[in-house]
Amino acid sequence: GENVEQHPSTLSVQEGDSAVIKCTYSDSASNYFPWYKQELGKGPQLIIDIRSNVGEKKDQRIAVTLNKTAKHFSLHITETQPEDSAVYFCAASKVNNNAGNMLTFGGGTRLMVKP
Amino acid sequence: DTAVSQTPKYLVTQMGNDKSIKCEQNLGHDTMYWYKQDSKKFLKIMFSYNNKELIINETVPNRFSPKSPDKAHLNLHINSLELGDSAVYFCASSPSGAYSAGELFFGEGSRLTVL
Repeated sequence: GENVEQHPSTLSVQEGDSAVIKCTYSDSASNYFPWYKQELGKGPQLIIDIRSNVGEKKDQRIAVTLNKTAKHFSLHITETQPEDSAVYFCAASKVNNNAGNMLTFGGGTRLMVKP
Repeated sequence: DTAVSQTPKYLVTQMGNDKSIKCEQNLGHDTMYWYKQDSKKFLKIMFSYNNKELIINETVPNRFSPKSPDKAHLNLHINSLELGDSAVYFCASSPSGAYSAGELFFGEGSRLTVL
């Protein structure tokens, strides 16, 4: 089955700096790579996703890059703000139209943005 | 107008007891899931149902029995609770169909503590 490794497990940055979180996956058939943000006491919430036919995607201060050959993808957050502090999860899956989406999550990164 | 709601939010019980967690989604999604998040924040899929039918069962002990009375509800019943069952359990849902399968919508979680 799929295996997703995520680094670093904790990341502390100064407000305004950039943050980068990296993930690798094992199954070359995986075609969907979302990133979720989990705030304290809440469920994970999708912040950005990328499919295997795209190499990069950007949404305001967040961007995701995908290298299918190397089987790794990264989350980039620019101009970090204290409200970006949370646990971030990468995930990978083979999206199946009839059987939903069996996501395999990375181990999570606790991001702390210091004011 | 919560999209995915779980009850109870907190559950404290003794080893050997039986307990249930309920989940309901009002998003009209066809697929629902149960995920387990352990103390190290690792998220792992347990079950997936599509239109009331079980499609994923990830080597979860028989003590865990999901039930889906209709596609808007997926309940989790746990028999003979063990200490290792202590975790946060997340319910989620997603749409299915051609290229719409992707984002998972998570509930806020149910924290189970087994004493």
